Amino acid sequence: GNSVTQMEGPVTLSEEAFLTINCTYTATGYPSLFWYVQYPGEGLQLLLKATKADDKGSNKGFEATYRKETTSFHLEKGSVQVSDSAVYFCALNGGSNYKLTFGKGTLLTVNP
Amino acid sequence: GAGVSQTPSNKVTEKGKYVELRCDPISGHTALYWYRQSLGQGPEFLIYFQGTGAADDSGLPNDRFFAVRPEGSVSTLKIQRTERGDSAVYLCASSLGTDNSPLHFGNGTRLTVT
Repeated sequence: GNSVTQMEGPVTLSEEAFLTINCTYTATGYPSLFWYVQYPGEGLQLLLKATKADDKGSNKGFEATYRKETTSFHLEKGSVQVSDSAVYFCALNGGSNYKLTFGKGTLLTVNP
Repeated sequence: GAGVSQTPSNKVTEKGKYVELRCDPISGHTALYWYRQSLGQGPEFLIYFQGTGAADDSGLPNDRFFAVRPEGSVSTLKIQRTERGDSAVYLCASSLGTDNSPLHFGNGTRLTVT
């Protein structure tokens, strides 16, 4: 079956530091890959996505590249801000747009 | 505009009781989804509605769980004879229902079974 493994947190960084949150997956077929973010007190929001190998998703300074050869979709940002503090979830769909498989989430705290 | 609304935001109930959790999707969204998020875990799929019908209920853990969407808008997730293991955050999402249309999640209902 499908599964997602992401870096365990919590991750604590200083403002302007470089961020990487690792995500690897197991799936049959050719899934689409997603990063969702949950800010404190808010619902899950789609941050970025990639639908095929070598695609790069990007949004709000975050990037992730769909790497089929390493089955990975690592999230990166060059310079984090305090407002990026949130829980980040890596996810995939196995051909059904609604049936997302999520990782356990990584809590990011950015200190000023 | 208004997002996905879930009520109540918190629900505490005793073991064995019946609970109903409500979801108001974004207006015009034909697809509605329920997910469950246990502590320290990512959300897990429960059920998907396209219009009034449940297109996929394969994620419902057992027959104590049931969901309806009688008019193709508001949905209610119903849990009978609650158990302590049902304690979790129940998330609702909606979308336009077309391929690759993004899911919009509500803030969830935190259910605690004592």
